[in-house]
Amino acid sequence: QVQLVQSGGEVKKPGASVKVACQASGYPFTSYAITWVRQAPGQGPEWMGWIGVYNGNTNYAEKFQGRVSMTTDTSTRTAYMELRALTSDDTAVYYCAKAGQGVYSLDVWGQGTTVTVSS
Amino acid sequence: QTVVTQEPSLTVSPGVTVTLTCASSAGAVTGGNFPNWFQQKPGQAPRPLFYRINNEYSWTPARFSGSLLGGKAALTLSNVQPEDEAQYFCLLYHGAQGIFGGGTNLTVL
Repeated sequence: QVQLVQSGGEVKKPGASVKVACQASGYPFTSYAITWVRQAPGQGPEWMGWIGVYNGNTNYAEKFQGRVSMTTDTSTRTAYMELRALTSDDTAVYYCAKAGQGVYSLDVWGQGTTVTVSS
Repeated sequence: QTVVTQEPSLTVSPGVTVTLTCASSAGAVTGGNFPNWFQQKPGQAPRPLFYRINNEYSWTPARFSGSLLGGKAALTLSNVQPEDEAQYFCLLYHGAQGIFGGGTNLTVL
């Protein structure tokens, strides 16, 4: 079945970077964009941006411009999200989600990766 | 900076019909905002319910419907069941930027 499996939780110090992986299975990986969403404790989700797997085009939320990079490795069917210059405000669960009918729908989600930023 | 607003909380009794709304500070919500709705229960990832206003997924309960109502996106739950107790989030796109609403905490008592 269609599935997104994310890498394990991370603990980082302020100023560091984190790279979260999202491995896809069960569908043609290059045919659908991957969107990244994060959710801080007790808060609503926050849209971070998407990457078109076929051509590598990216669209980042203005808030994260210059600090985030989304990439893919089609040989391993894996999408990556790297966030740099971490602060405690970046402590959150990070999700990848597969686009469905067009990039503006998110039909399958990963299980989430907890990133904790603490000194 | 566009803000997407939802009712923070609603409490309903089983069997009733309830409508949750999703408004944009940029103006009336239209199909061009590609409204999405998600349900989230504690400790779980958001579960998609609708995309592009009212397009459902195979797992979307038939009791749920999506629409545009009075310049907002709306999610209507008919014959509410105890298992519908959850957080509900909308997602709107303004240009190519996605913005989630703050969510509605639906309590079924």
